Amino acid sequence: AIRITQSPSSLSASTGDRVTITCRASQGISSYLAWYQQKPGKAPKLLIYAASTLQSGAPSRFSGSGSGTDFTLTISCLQSEDFATYYCQQYYSYPTFGQGTKLEIK
Amino acid sequence: EVQLLESGGGLVQPGGSLRLSCAASGFTFSSYAMSWVRQAPGKGLEWVSAISGSGSSTYYADSVKGRFTISRDNSKNTLYLQMNSLRAEDTAVHYCAKADAVGATYPVCDWGQGTTVTVSS
Repeated sequence: AIRITQSPSSLSASTGDRVTITCRASQGISSYLAWYQQKPGKAPKLLIYAASTLQSGAPSRFSGSGSGTDFTLTISCLQSEDFATYYCQQYYSYPTFGQGTKLEIK
Repeated sequence: EVQLLESGGGLVQPGGSLRLSCAASGFTFSSYAMSWVRQAPGKGLEWVSAISGSGSSTYYADSVKGRFTISRDNSKNTLYLQMNSLRAEDTAVHYCAKADAVGATYPVCDWGQGTTVTVSS
């Protein structure tokens, strides 16, 4: 199985900050990577797929980049509603998720 | 509006069985692959299984292969997950999820609210 290492596991930031979360795959996955946002007690929400394509309805302050083994999710200007847990997922082969990054208010 | 409504979760003893259902509406069910994804208490997400729109192709995580069976009834717009030989580590919220695009299995873009499976004696 392809392993995904996501970092950091937690992150403290303030409204208006720019934050970056990274995922590294144990082997090349081309651009078969998605990013999800999950709030407590809720189902995840798809933000980005194909590494850099913004899902319809997702705010433009979210962006993704990378290919091969290294990927990044950037939130350009944090809003209060962005404080949540973020997961990356590879779907090059049977899907696997990163461990998650909990984004908290500083 | 896409709606996915899971049911069938509950408390079961180790070694027991459960069948989860997911009733779908708001889209052409037979055109989309569907998946089950679970989340153990306080833990991250784990993909469990997927099925093509026609039901002819199925996929399983190694952790459930041979114990779980995914199926669908396109006449009833319903997805199923038959879970046998349940273990404590299967305890989780189980979500059904719809593929983002026709012809693709992943990623998933619409999720149900989840149904809780608890395996305990």
